[in-house]
Amino acid sequence: KQEVTQIPAALSVPEGENLVLNCSFTDSAIYNLQWFRQDPGKGLTSLLLIQSSQREQTSGRLNASLDKSSGRSTLYIAASQPGDSATYLCAVGDISSGSARQLTFGSGTQLTVLP
Amino acid sequence: GAVVSQHPSRVICKSGTSVKIECRSLDFQATTMFWYRQFPKQSLMLMATSNEGSKATYEQGVEKDKFLINHASLTLSTLTVTSAHPEDSSFYICSANHPRAGPYEQYFGPGTRLTVT
Repeated sequence: KQEVTQIPAALSVPEGENLVLNCSFTDSAIYNLQWFRQDPGKGLTSLLLIQSSQREQTSGRLNASLDKSSGRSTLYIAASQPGDSATYLCAVGDISSGSARQLTFGSGTQLTVLP
Repeated sequence: GAVVSQHPSRVICKSGTSVKIECRSLDFQATTMFWYRQFPKQSLMLMATSNEGSKATYEQGVEKDKFLINHASLTLSTLTVTSAHPEDSSFYICSANHPRAGPYEQYFGPGTRLTVT
Protein backbone atom coordinates (compact mmCIF):
# COMPACT_ATOMS: atom_id res chain seq x y z
CA LYS A 1 0.00 0.00 0.00
CA GLN A 2 1.35 3.39 -1.01
CA GLU A 3 2.54 5.59 1.83
CA VAL A 4 3.47 9.23 1.46
CA THR A 5 5.60 11.02 4.04
CA GLN A 6 6.38 14.69 4.34
CA ILE A 7 9.25 16.15 6.31
CA PRO A 8 9.37 18.39 8.22
CA ALA A 9 5.90 18.46 9.75
CA ALA A 10 6.31 22.14 10.54
CA LEU A 11 8.73 24.80 9.44
CA SER A 12 9.18 28.42 10.46
CA VAL A 13 11.42 30.74 8.46
CA PRO A 14 12.04 34.48 8.24
CA GLU A 15 10.71 36.34 5.26
CA GLY A 16 12.96 36.26 2.20
CA GLU A 17 14.49 32.86 2.83
CA ASN A 18 14.53 30.13 0.26
CA LEU A 19 13.20 26.83 1.53
CA VAL A 20 12.67 23.21 0.56
CA LEU A 21 9.83 20.93 1.51
CA ASN A 22 10.27 17.19 1.15
CA CYS A 23 7.92 14.42 0.12
CA SER A 24 8.70 10.72 -0.15
CA PHE A 25 6.59 7.80 -1.33
CA THR A 26 7.06 4.07 -0.95
CA ASP A 27 5.76 2.76 -4.29
CA SER A 28 7.39 4.24 -7.39
CA ALA A 29 4.47 3.15 -9.57
CA ILE A 30 2.86 6.56 -9.65
CA TYR A 31 1.03 8.31 -12.44
CA ASN A 32 1.89 11.79 -11.25
CA LEU A 33 2.66 13.84 -8.16
CA GLN A 34 0.97 17.04 -7.11
CA TRP A 35 1.72 19.72 -4.59
CA PHE A 36 -1.21 21.49 -2.95
CA ARG A 37 -1.57 24.41 -0.63
CA GLN A 38 -4.19 24.44 2.14
CA ASP A 39 -5.02 27.51 4.19
CA PRO A 40 -6.57 26.95 7.64
CA GLY A 41 -10.14 25.69 7.39
CA LYS A 42 -10.08 25.81 3.61
CA GLY A 43 -9.93 23.40 0.71
CA LEU A 44 -6.95 22.59 -1.45
CA THR A 45 -5.34 24.74 -4.09
CA SER A 46 -3.26 22.91 -6.68
CA LEU A 47 0.22 24.41 -7.05
CA LEU A 48 2.17 22.12 -9.33
CA LEU A 49 1.60 18.79 -11.03
CA ILE A 50 4.48 16.63 -12.25
CA GLN A 51 3.80 13.73 -14.56
CA SER A 52 5.76 10.54 -13.81
CA SER A 53 7.84 11.07 -16.93
CA GLN A 54 8.86 14.59 -15.89
CA ARG A 55 11.65 15.74 -13.61
CA GLU A 56 10.40 19.12 -12.53
CA GLN A 57 7.79 21.82 -12.91
CA THR A 58 8.04 25.52 -12.20
CA SER A 59 5.48 28.19 -11.47
CA GLY A 60 6.68 31.60 -10.39
CA ARG A 61 8.67 31.25 -7.17
CA LEU A 62 7.82 27.57 -6.89
CA ASN A 63 9.80 24.68 -8.31
CA ALA A 64 8.90 21.04 -7.78
CA SER A 65 11.18 18.16 -8.63
CA LEU A 66 10.47 14.47 -8.92
CA ASP A 67 12.84 11.50 -8.65
CA LYS A 68 10.52 8.59 -9.16
CA SER A 69 13.17 5.91 -8.81
CA SER A 70 14.12 7.06 -5.33
CA GLY A 71 10.55 7.92 -4.37
CA ARG A 72 11.20 11.57 -3.63
CA SER A 73 9.91 14.98 -4.52
CA THR A 74 10.86 18.42 -3.31
CA LEU A 75 9.05 21.73 -3.41
CA TYR A 76 11.38 24.69 -3.52
CA ILE A 77 9.99 28.09 -2.57
CA ALA A 78 12.18 31.05 -3.42
CA ALA A 79 12.17 34.35 -1.55
CA SER A 80 9.46 33.30 0.87
CA GLN A 81 6.74 35.77 1.89
CA PRO A 82 4.33 35.86 4.84
CA GLY A 83 1.54 35.09 2.37
CA ASP A 84 3.18 31.74 1.71
CA SER A 85 2.23 30.63 5.22
CA ALA A 86 -0.02 27.59 4.84
CA THR A 87 0.06 23.82 4.94
CA TYR A 88 1.63 22.20 1.89
CA LEU A 89 0.47 18.74 0.91
CA CYS A 90 1.91 16.39 -1.65
CA ALA A 91 -0.17 13.67 -3.25
CA VAL A 92 0.63 10.88 -5.67
CA GLY A 93 -1.60 9.46 -8.35
CA ASP A 94 -1.63 5.86 -7.19
CA ILE A 95 -1.52 3.44 -10.13
CA SER A 96 -2.26 0.55 -7.76
CA SER A 97 -5.71 2.05 -7.20
CA GLY A 98 -6.60 0.87 -10.69
CA SER A 99 -9.59 2.41 -12.40
CA ALA A 100 -10.46 4.34 -9.24
CA ARG A 101 -7.52 6.65 -9.97
CA GLN A 102 -7.04 7.68 -6.39
CA LEU A 103 -4.68 10.14 -4.82
CA THR A 104 -2.66 9.26 -1.73
CA PHE A 105 -1.76 12.26 0.39
CA GLY A 106 1.12 13.01 2.68
CA SER A 107 0.52 14.47 6.12
CA GLY A 108 1.63 17.92 5.11
CA THR A 109 4.18 20.52 6.14
CA GLN A 110 2.87 23.53 8.01
CA LEU A 111 4.89 26.53 6.87
CA THR A 112 5.08 29.82 8.74
CA VAL A 113 6.94 32.71 7.15
CA LEU A 114 7.71 35.38 9.72
CA PRO A 115 7.65 39.03 8.62
CA GLY B 1 -13.47 26.74 -14.89
CA ALA B 2 -13.45 23.46 -12.91
CA VAL B 3 -15.16 24.78 -9.79
CA VAL B 4 -16.37 22.43 -7.08
CA SER B 5 -18.63 23.71 -4.35
CA GLN B 6 -19.71 22.24 -1.05
CA HIS B 7 -22.69 23.04 1.09
CA PRO B 8 -22.84 23.77 3.90
CA SER B 9 -19.41 25.15 4.69
CA ARG B 10 -20.00 24.65 8.38
CA VAL B 11 -22.59 22.67 10.31
CA ILE B 12 -23.23 21.93 13.94
CA CYS B 13 -25.55 19.10 14.85
CA LYS B 14 -26.56 17.20 17.93
CA SER B 15 -25.40 13.69 18.65
CA GLY B 16 -27.73 11.11 17.14
CA THR B 17 -28.96 13.26 14.28
CA SER B 18 -28.06 12.96 10.60
CA VAL B 19 -26.49 15.61 8.44
CA LYS B 20 -26.15 15.83 4.66
CA ILE B 21 -23.26 17.46 2.85
CA GLU B 22 -23.53 18.33 -0.84
CA CYS B 23 -20.73 18.42 -3.37
CA ARG B 24 -21.38 20.02 -6.75
CA SER B 25 -19.30 20.43 -9.86
CA LEU B 26 -20.48 23.82 -11.07
CA ASP B 27 -19.18 24.02 -14.62
CA PHE B 28 -18.43 20.47 -15.63
CA GLN B 29 -19.84 16.99 -15.40
CA ALA B 30 -17.97 14.67 -13.07
CA THR B 31 -18.37 10.95 -13.50
CA THR B 32 -16.24 10.35 -10.41
CA MET B 33 -16.23 12.21 -7.12
CA PHE B 34 -14.19 11.49 -4.01
CA TRP B 35 -14.93 12.10 -0.34
CA TYR B 36 -12.15 12.74 2.18
CA ARG B 37 -12.06 13.53 5.85
CA GLN B 38 -9.34 15.46 7.58
CA PHE B 39 -8.65 15.63 11.31
CA PRO B 40 -6.81 18.67 12.73
CA LYS B 41 -3.18 18.82 11.63
CA GLN B 42 -3.54 15.58 9.72
CA SER B 43 -3.71 14.70 6.07
CA LEU B 44 -6.69 13.91 3.89
CA MET B 45 -7.91 10.36 4.26
CA LEU B 46 -9.96 8.99 1.39
CA MET B 47 -13.33 7.72 2.58
CA ALA B 48 -14.97 6.63 -0.65
CA THR B 49 -15.02 6.93 -4.40
CA SER B 50 -18.37 7.82 -5.88
CA ASN B 51 -19.35 7.06 -9.46
CA GLU B 52 -22.46 8.52 -11.01
CA GLY B 53 -25.31 6.04 -11.12
CA SER B 54 -23.59 3.30 -9.14
CA LYS B 55 -22.80 2.45 -5.56
CA ALA B 56 -19.87 4.14 -3.92
CA THR B 57 -16.69 2.22 -3.19
CA TYR B 58 -15.67 2.65 0.43
CA GLU B 59 -12.17 2.48 1.82
CA GLN B 60 -11.31 -0.11 4.41
CA GLY B 61 -12.51 0.91 7.85
CA VAL B 62 -15.18 3.34 6.61
CA GLU B 63 -18.69 2.28 7.63
CA LYS B 64 -20.91 2.44 4.58
CA ASP B 65 -24.08 2.40 6.68
CA LYS B 66 -22.89 5.40 8.63
CA PHE B 67 -21.53 7.46 5.76
CA LEU B 68 -24.13 7.24 3.00
CA ILE B 69 -22.96 8.47 -0.38
CA ASN B 70 -25.28 9.19 -3.27
CA HIS B 71 -24.01 10.30 -6.68
CA ALA B 72 -27.36 10.76 -8.38
CA SER B 73 -26.25 13.07 -11.16
CA LEU B 74 -23.12 14.06 -13.02
CA THR B 75 -22.87 17.27 -11.02
CA LEU B 76 -23.96 16.29 -7.53
CA SER B 77 -22.75 13.87 -4.88
CA THR B 78 -24.02 13.85 -1.31
CA LEU B 79 -22.53 12.49 1.88
CA THR B 80 -24.93 11.81 4.73
CA VAL B 81 -23.48 11.20 8.16
CA THR B 82 -26.12 9.15 9.95
CA SER B 83 -26.57 9.05 13.72
CA ALA B 84 -23.65 11.40 14.13
CA HIS B 85 -21.44 11.22 17.20
CA PRO B 86 -18.80 13.64 18.50
CA GLU B 87 -16.04 11.47 17.04
CA ASP B 88 -17.49 12.18 13.58
CA SER B 89 -16.56 15.83 14.01
CA SER B 90 -14.10 16.56 11.26
CA PHE B 91 -13.42 18.48 8.08
CA TYR B 92 -14.98 16.77 5.08
CA ILE B 93 -13.68 17.58 1.59
CA CYS B 94 -14.95 16.37 -1.75
CA SER B 95 -13.21 16.37 -5.10
CA ALA B 96 -14.18 15.62 -8.67
CA ASN B 97 -12.49 14.44 -11.84
CA HIS B 98 -12.83 16.80 -14.76
CA PRO B 99 -13.52 14.89 -18.01
CA ARG B 100 -10.89 16.87 -19.91
CA ALA B 101 -8.22 16.79 -17.22
CA GLY B 102 -5.69 14.04 -16.64
CA PRO B 103 -6.90 10.87 -14.95
CA TYR B 104 -5.47 11.70 -11.54
CA GLU B 105 -6.27 15.38 -11.56
CA GLN B 106 -8.95 16.17 -9.01
CA TYR B 107 -10.61 19.48 -8.32
CA PHE B 108 -11.35 20.06 -4.66
CA GLY B 109 -14.25 21.68 -2.91
CA PRO B 110 -13.72 24.18 -0.08
CA GLY B 111 -14.62 21.65 2.60
CA THR B 112 -17.33 21.32 5.26
CA ARG B 113 -16.58 21.62 8.94
CA LEU B 114 -18.85 19.26 10.89
CA THR B 115 -19.14 19.63 14.64
CA VAL B 116 -21.24 17.12 16.55
CA THR B 117 -22.20 18.20 20.05
